[in-house]
Amino acid sequence: NAGVTQTPKFQVLKTGQSMTLQCAQDMNHNSMYWYRQDPGMGLRLIYYSASEGTTDKGEVPNGYNVSRLNKREFSLRLESAAPSQTSVYFCASTGQGNSPLHFGNGTRLTVT
Amino acid sequence: QKEVEQDPGPLSVPEGAIVSLNCTYSNSAFQYFMWYRQYSRKGPELLMYTYSSGNKEDGRFTAQVDKSSKYISLFIRDSQPSDSATYLCAMSGGSNYKLTFGKGTLLTVNP
Repeated sequence: NAGVTQTPKFQVLKTGQSMTLQCAQDMNHNSMYWYRQDPGMGLRLIYYSASEGTTDKGEVPNGYNVSRLNKREFSLRLESAAPSQTSVYFCASTGQGNSPLHFGNGTRLTVT
Repeated sequence: QKEVEQDPGPLSVPEGAIVSLNCTYSNSAFQYFMWYRQYSRKGPELLMYTYSSGNKEDGRFTAQVDKSSKYISLFIRDSQPSDSATYLCAMSGGSNYKLTFGKGTLLTVNP
């Protein structure tokens, strides 16, 4: 039972490069989320998708775009990476409102 | 005032100790309360999930919610070195279905 799978696990980018972080869940969950986690800042919501076909901004959306490709997959794109986007990115999903989130194991991104 | 406050620690205890972890919050709409455990270089995993006020026990773990004081706690009895991790509180309520997290408390249990 894979749960929430994130790829890649690690990535190093140069400033200005672009990349897409991939997330897939096999729990038939409706809602999916992208968070970033930084020392001293905790988990901050970037974007979320309450259901297939919808996406909404979270607390820190600037510099990111998302695509809810289908019910299983939710990707996060950095169009022009900046050193401030160096972070650990977590994808999460849940079946219904106010239910606990299930997290992937993260993508560790460094932007030089 | 931040919506959720959590003492970041670090907290270091000897094996077998009782550990108390706490969060306070300001939003009275919160009704669902969670504790997550996060090991180094891993994603958060759900430890406890409670609704409204009261206590919930699961093995060595007890979660308490006091909505009148806007205060939640996680107690770990007979703590083990394997409990060494960062513990995150989280809560939600209302119609936006988004979790609000504390910043986490780093716990080390020494053998």
